[in-house]
Amino acid sequence: QKEVEQNSGPLSVPEGAIASLNCTYSDRGSQSFFWYRQYSGKSPELIMFIYSNGDKEDGRFTAQLNKASQYVSLLIRDSQPSDSATYLCAVGFTGGGNKLTFGTGTQLKVEL
Amino acid sequence: EAQVTQNPRYLITVTGKKLTVTCSQNMNHEYMSWYRQDPGLGLRQIYYSMNVEVTDKGDVPEGYKVSRKEKRNFPLILESPSPNQTSLYFCASSLGAPASVAGAFFGQGTRLTVV
Repeated sequence: QKEVEQNSGPLSVPEGAIASLNCTYSDRGSQSFFWYRQYSGKSPELIMFIYSNGDKEDGRFTAQLNKASQYVSLLIRDSQPSDSATYLCAVGFTGGGNKLTFGTGTQLKVEL
Repeated sequence: EAQVTQNPRYLITVTGKKLTVTCSQNMNHEYMSWYRQDPGLGLRQIYYSMNVEVTDKGDVPEGYKVSRKEKRNFPLILESPSPNQTSLYFCASSLGAPASVAGAFFGQGTRLTVV
């Protein structure tokens, strides 16, 4: 069973701080990694994807991938109250239906 | 506007009464899938479809059926709903298989309650 693990939180950070969200995965054959943001009662929204080891930056968001450690993270700089949401990590497996396996999500709270 | 549209958004039904949740996408995506989301369990894939007339089971297919007669539509059918199918359901689509392309786009969700 392929697994994707996230700390459920809540993770509380003050406004303007850096929020660090972490995800580990069990299958070394995983090839693609995604971060989705989900506001309460809404659908998941893709915010970042990364395929290669290292960092990928997009605005205030940075995704970090370390395949050797089977670890992917999302950094949110200058956190805003509007960033308060649940962040879902998803891992892509190209075998067996080429599908995504999701973690249970980390709830982020950005406090004024 | 590019979107995935699910209907209905909310549904309360009784055990055993057949229901269909519709899903339609206007992005000409080949890959479509259905997920259910439950507290503490995250998003779990029910069924997926790589293309028209091609469907396959996901992780939790029991009690569900799907069909893909047209590229844009991928309805989810519950022939005899039971209370353990009470959940939040999402339809998703992507240009190709989501692990190979930039993820998937999700519909607004359908909150189903089976009493």
